[in-house]
Amino acid sequence: AQSVSQHNHHVILSEAASLELGCNYSYGGTVNLFWYVQYPGQHLQLLLKYFSGDPLVKGIKGFEAEFIKSKFSFNLRKPSVQWSDTAEYFCAVSGGSYIPTFGRGTSLIVHP
Amino acid sequence: DSGVTQTPKHLITATGQRVTLRCSPRSGDLSVYWYQQSLDQGLQFLIQYYNGEERAKGNILERFSAQQFPDLHSELNLSSLELGDSALYFCASSTIPTYEQFFGPGTRLTVL
Repeated sequence: AQSVSQHNHHVILSEAASLELGCNYSYGGTVNLFWYVQYPGQHLQLLLKYFSGDPLVKGIKGFEAEFIKSKFSFNLRKPSVQWSDTAEYFCAVSGGSYIPTFGRGTSLIVHP
Repeated sequence: DSGVTQTPKHLITATGQRVTLRCSPRSGDLSVYWYQQSLDQGLQFLIQYYNGEERAKGNILERFSAQQFPDLHSELNLSSLELGDSALYFCASSTIPTYEQFFGPGTRLTVL
């Protein structure tokens, strides 16, 4: 089986601050990794994904994530957040034939 | 717009009642997933169908059932509704079960 852990449940930042959201997973084999974002009142949308290749993945809206296999981690980063980044962020992992498992989510509030 | 449609957008009903939520996946997607999202439980995976067959089950109550029809649309049936069933219900679809999911706009269910 697989599982996902998002360490930060709530993050509050000021505009222009840097962001890093932690995501760790447990699965022994090859994995596909995802970050989704849910803006207030909206549905989940894919921010970025990693299947293979360069472990540094760039997504939409200036987000990036780094896959570190030895640490079973896929942390999400953004160098300078904006008020419009206020949202819930979900990490998800799928390994083998398993469908993606989602983490509990991290609520990000960015103050202008 | 993800290409996944859900109806209705809002549903208000009383305890003990039965409701049906409908989902049409993106064109070409064979996998459909149902999720329940509430403030206290977060995003909970309920059930997955692939090309008409049930493939995976999550935290789905016995009062809930789902099916996927030959045209690939899916319905989630919730019966003997309780106050605690009030939540957002999302449908998602994907081409391959381990790939990224595309989420619909959700159905907000309120049980009074």
